Amino acid sequence: LAKTTQPISMDSYEGQEVNITCSHNNIATNDYITWYQQFPSQGPRFIIQGYKTKVTNEVASLFIPADRKSSTLSLPRVSLSDTAVYYCLVGEGRNTDKLIFGTGTRLQVFP
Amino acid sequence: EPEVTQTPSHQVTQMGQEVILRCVPISNHLYFYWYRQILGQKVEFLVSFYNNEISEKSEIFDDQFSVERPDGSNFTLKIRSTKLEDSAMYFCASRDPLGSNQPQHFGDGTRLSIL
Repeated sequence: LAKTTQPISMDSYEGQEVNITCSHNNIATNDYITWYQQFPSQGPRFIIQGYKTKVTNEVASLFIPADRKSSTLSLPRVSLSDTAVYYCLVGEGRNTDKLIFGTGTRLQVFP
Repeated sequence: EPEVTQTPSHQVTQMGQEVILRCVPISNHLYFYWYRQILGQKVEFLVSFYNNEISEKSEIFDDQFSVERPDGSNFTLKIRSTKLEDSAMYFCASRDPLGSNQPQHFGDGTRLSIL
């Protein structure tokens, strides 16, 4: 059962802002929204996590509307090194903390 | 920044042999996990481990798999009799115990190649 839906791929150019939106219509009250980044042959790397409104760190911003049925990861001024797969994850239930990864969004940044 | 470390980075093993993949989680973390990713496919959950016992396991984690925390720093995944289909990247992850919403932090994996 898919809990999140995100675009399969996106293209951008260096210096642009990239926004990746994820739908999670069935998000539970207790669920946090977490984004990971994965480069080829590396483990997923935690980027950002939020519950509602806006969260910002040194790498990205996460925008969550009031209904929490979607979220948008914003990467400011991407560089070639931001080329990676980005995963949006929400909780899988009260009694589990396993992560269920989808196919993610493959972001390709061009010079 | 503290990180999860995994060894070896690449393991080549003959089918039917036992293999042990090693992980050193982040030092104050108490929740540990193994995931795998077959080439070109999704990252899949295998097992979670807390307080010296398995908390949850997936269908993939059958009797050929076992996990152990043999000392205060290492967390291992053993595959007793490897099969060709066990070839994959295996990722270890750990999580801070302070709150169930704490994110899991992953190592860079062990590439397991079964011949």
